[in-house]
Amino acid sequence: QKEVEQNSGPLSVPEGAIASLNCTYSDRVSQSFFWYRQYSGKSPELIMSIYSNGDKEDGRFTAQLNKASQYVSLLIRDSQPSDSATYLCAVNGAGGTSYGKLTFGQGTILTVHP
Amino acid sequence: KAGVTQTPRYLIKTRGQQVTLSCSPISGHRSVSWYQQTPGQGLQFLFEYFSETQRNKGNFPGRFSGRQFSNSRSEMNVSTLELGDSALYLCASSFTDGYEAFFGQGTRLTVV
Repeated sequence: QKEVEQNSGPLSVPEGAIASLNCTYSDRVSQSFFWYRQYSGKSPELIMSIYSNGDKEDGRFTAQLNKASQYVSLLIRDSQPSDSATYLCAVNGAGGTSYGKLTFGQGTILTVHP
Repeated sequence: KAGVTQTPRYLIKTRGQQVTLSCSPISGHRSVSWYQQTPGQGLQFLFEYFSETQRNKGNFPGRFSGRQFSNSRSEMNVSTLELGDSALYLCASSFTDGYEAFFGQGTRLTVV
């Protein structure tokens, strides 16, 4: 089982729709959860962080965390063509062998078509 | 506020050579982590430094090494380059472990 798994893509949604990206993780003691967006040929850009169960909203983005189910998701409302990118789920453990280490999922390619 | 700066942006090296990459973190950030990104393996953790100490290391051979200076700037070195070392090398800085990490633009290394 991979440490961090994301829903297989690619994901294609029409402009204005809601894009839903999912991620599960295997380390139950994981503490910090992040979503990064990576455009082709560019470096990952942090778009959301979440540390406690529930929802966290920032503009058109909502991150959801459920530690009991070891599940984190990202919703993008009113999707725009500029949201087309690879979205990476990243998880940080709790000290020890996890110091400074983000474990990434394989990424989900999102395409928003006009 | 300046972001994370990596130099150089692009490098072409020959097999067997060595290379040094540099990373200047965001001011005030003391944790610097390095990652290798390839199409087949995705983002893989190399190592993390905090206050000049390596606290964590990923599953890479000893040819990959790094260090951090007192001003938090970090370097990573790869010796005896192999074709498979061709990748995008990314560094990320954060205030400390578990906090948000911000990536530099990366160094694209090509080994020929």
